[in-house]
Amino acid sequence: GQQVMQIPQYQHVQEGEDFTTYCNSSTTLSNIQWYKQRPGGHPVFLIQLVKSGEVKKQKRLTFQFGEAKKNSSLHITATQTTDVGTYFCAEPEDGANNLFFGTGTRLTVIP
Amino acid sequence: DGGITQSPKYLFRKEGQNVTLSCEQNLNHDAMYWYRQDPGQGLRLIYYSQIVNDFQKGDIAEGYSVSREKKESFPLTVTSAQKNPTAFYLCASSIAGRLYEQYFGPGTRLTVT
Repeated sequence: GQQVMQIPQYQHVQEGEDFTTYCNSSTTLSNIQWYKQRPGGHPVFLIQLVKSGEVKKQKRLTFQFGEAKKNSSLHITATQTTDVGTYFCAEPEDGANNLFFGTGTRLTVIP
Repeated sequence: DGGITQSPKYLFRKEGQNVTLSCEQNLNHDAMYWYRQDPGQGLRLIYYSQIVNDFQKGDIAEGYSVSREKKESFPLTVTSAQKNPTAFYLCASSIAGRLYEQYFGPGTRLTVT
């Protein structure tokens, strides 16, 4: 069945350090989306990547889509306490009109 | 003020009772979704609907039922057949199709004892 592996599962960083989470799919993707869920909150859409090798930036966040469109990464430069939360990647589910969410990476930022 | 509302935020029920979770959206989205989230875990799809009067099972539909009589509303019933119903339930909506982002409601935390 379809699998979306996201690593690491947990990450603790000192404030100011960088952070990266990786998403690996078992299939070639048409697109991939990233969401952030704050503790106790609901997932909020961050970005969608569509093109092979695409790189998009949102302030301190950099999103990449692999050349083979099978993996993606989210990198945060100089983390802040506001970055705390769980980051999910999501890919289109095979043969269906919905998304398949990864297991998420929970980020803790130590002040 | 556009968005998705879920009520209530917290819900407590006794084992053996059916319970219905509300989800309403005023974003004019055709597609709506229900997910279940267990502590420290990802989102698992329960049911989704791409259009009024039509819906499909997700990965974990057993013990749940839905209806989609109106575009704005997609209630989820957690039946007594659901063996482990205590969880955080999230409703989402989107433009129909797999290429569009999903907008989530604030969620309902259901506790069954």
